[in-house]
Amino acid sequence: KAGVTQTPRYLIKTRGQQVTLSCSPISGHRSVSWYQQTPGQGLQFLFEYFSETQRNKGNFPGRFSGRQFSNSRSEMNVSTLELGDSALYLCASSSGVDRGTNEQFFGPGTRLTVL
Amino acid sequence: GENVEQHPSTLSVQEGDSAVIKCTYSDSASNYFPWYKQELGKGPQLIIDIRSNVGEKKDQRIAVTLNKTAKHFSLHITETQPEDSAVYFCAAYVGLSGGYNKLIFGAGTRLAVHP
Repeated sequence: KAGVTQTPRYLIKTRGQQVTLSCSPISGHRSVSWYQQTPGQGLQFLFEYFSETQRNKGNFPGRFSGRQFSNSRSEMNVSTLELGDSALYLCASSSGVDRGTNEQFFGPGTRLTVL
Repeated sequence: GENVEQHPSTLSVQEGDSAVIKCTYSDSASNYFPWYKQELGKGPQLIIDIRSNVGEKKDQRIAVTLNKTAKHFSLHITETQPEDSAVYFCAAYVGLSGGYNKLIFGAGTRLAVHP
């Protein structure tokens, strides 16, 4: 089975711009979770999508949004970028059953740098 | 609030020695505890996990123990090798409103194995 893929791997943007990141989960998995990883805050949960619906949401501002398509691929969008949004954005794939307590498998991440 | 504490933040051992990383969690309803290994430039890799119905699980040189009463769990790596050098994260599922769950991560332990 192919693993979790994320595109692009690297992005450089300037403040005020917006960005869209993409994640393709493991075949057959219906849940995609997004995380932000920074040296200061560690791994923080952004949101989870399951069967095209946002099921869980972390404590991030509304500038962070996402969606999931019928093939389970997911995108996350960050609008009006701030310097503090520079981070590694990771997506994790899981089957999504059992009310979310399933193994999560991570992609390689997208490194976003905001200048 | 929901919290996972991880210690130590850095760990340096000689090749062949054992390494132990400890985590405590706050949500007594948590029932699934994965451990991830993250190498430079890569996403976290699931290396072992444990559910609350068992006290210990082993996989070759890696073992995890869980004490639900004390709300702590530990990762044990025996006969360490240089390729074990990485950042290790513990995590626990915490319940959210609506009945679903999200993963909360510890701050990470940077393990260095010296030849």
